[in-house]
Amino acid sequence: DAGITQSPRHKVTETGTPVTLRCHQTENHRYMYWYRQDPGHGLRLIHYSYGVKDTDKGEVSDGYSVSRSKTEDFLLTLESATSSQTSVYFCAISDPGRTSGNTIYFGEGSWLTVV
Amino acid sequence: GENVEQHPSTLSVQEGDSAVIKCTYSDSASNYFPWYKQELGKRPQLIIDIRSNVGEKKDQRIAVTLNKTAKHFSLHITETQPEDSAVYFCAASIGTGTASKLTFGTGTRLQVTL
Repeated sequence: DAGITQSPRHKVTETGTPVTLRCHQTENHRYMYWYRQDPGHGLRLIHYSYGVKDTDKGEVSDGYSVSRSKTEDFLLTLESATSSQTSVYFCAISDPGRTSGNTIYFGEGSWLTVV
Repeated sequence: GENVEQHPSTLSVQEGDSAVIKCTYSDSASNYFPWYKQELGKRPQLIIDIRSNVGEKKDQRIAVTLNKTAKHFSLHITETQPEDSAVYFCAASIGTGTASKLTFGTGTRLQVTL
């Protein structure tokens, strides 16, 4: 499982409230990613990080922010949740310096419902 | 940016038959093409990948082919078994030694019937 844990695994929240999802890894991987998965869209990249305090946007970054203050933690924040952000969120890691190269490995996912 | 199209969206085969899933990509600079399998309620898991310097790769009953000129790649599963039933995603990305910003296809739901 590449040492990735996500929390919370399931959450129901109300429209307009802030939500933070946490991704924690134990194997010192350099790159971390947040994807969302929706029917008919596959997996889409929200934000990614290439080091502590180094982050960049993916294709669906609007309405999301991220932070990485430590190598092991990558946080995804929805400042004001909307129903369109109801989704399954997957954290992922990669480490080109190791034999896996470009391969990314996913966490178990966080199911978020915004009502 | 990159665009990946995947077909078919659903595929039903009988146990023992072969299954083929096809993907096309738009950016000729893409050089890494993984395939993921996702069972219901689980995370996507890598089953095989191929890089642009290779035309074909096999792993037991699974094979992937890449045609760089036509910008398409395919997943082939032979002697299908009920446990092959899942959603399969193709993906493409550019670059080595950097962030692997994968662009995914929309998935193929494979059903293997007895």
